[in-house]
Amino acid sequence: QSALTQPPSASGSPGQSVTISCTGTSSDVGAYNHVSWYQQHPGQAPKLMIYEVNKRPSGVPDRFSGSKSGSTASLTVSGLQAEDEADYYCSSPAGSNNYVLFGGGTKLTVL
Amino acid sequence: QVQLHESGPGLVKPSETLSLTCTVSGYSISSGFYWGWIRQPPGKGLEWIASIFHNGNTFYNPSLKSRVAISVDTSKNQFSLKLTSVTAADTAVYYCARGGSTWFLNYWGQGTLVTVSS
Repeated sequence: QSALTQPPSASGSPGQSVTISCTGTSSDVGAYNHVSWYQQHPGQAPKLMIYEVNKRPSGVPDRFSGSKSGSTASLTVSGLQAEDEADYYCSSPAGSNNYVLFGGGTKLTVL
Repeated sequence: QVQLHESGPGLVKPSETLSLTCTVSGYSISSGFYWGWIRQPPGKGLEWIASIFHNGNTFYNPSLKSRVAISVDTSKNQFSLKLTSVTAADTAVYYCARGGSTWFLNYWGQGTLVTVSS
């Protein structure tokens, strides 16, 4: 099994919107509506930002949103703020819903 | 508030077994959800290792399945990871986490660095 495919980097200016893609296959992202997104700042543990494609945990700003089309999921960050600069990882169950794949990660830079 | 804390040796010799424990506070492991281990090699991305559900069902990364075991000790509110025959490629920060109703992970420990070296 291969990791989900994410662009290595993305960037935007404060106030702008940026979208990060996460491409899988019909056996993972395309098969389940269970894509999650995590934010990780340097030296910290990952933080759940989106689950089940487009749901936000309590406390996550509504500037973060998720979507999915076919085997590609996306995370959109609107109204970019300096604190959004971090690494972002997608994940999805795979196989017969019996293991999890992560994406390779995208470094988001706020210019 | 749910909190998780990883513990174990920070240095393991090649070919030996890596053993880590995650101590959970603020929630009873036997009450539900699932518990898992994820690792991150220095400067690299996340890799899911294994998960165990409150009913004892276990799930493993196919690429690690032959070397990994996850278990739960409900009496201590802990769960553990064993990874056998380690090599330098197993050097990573190891995180324990709690899952939600589906495959997302909503509570994470702070991580512990394990280095494989002689």
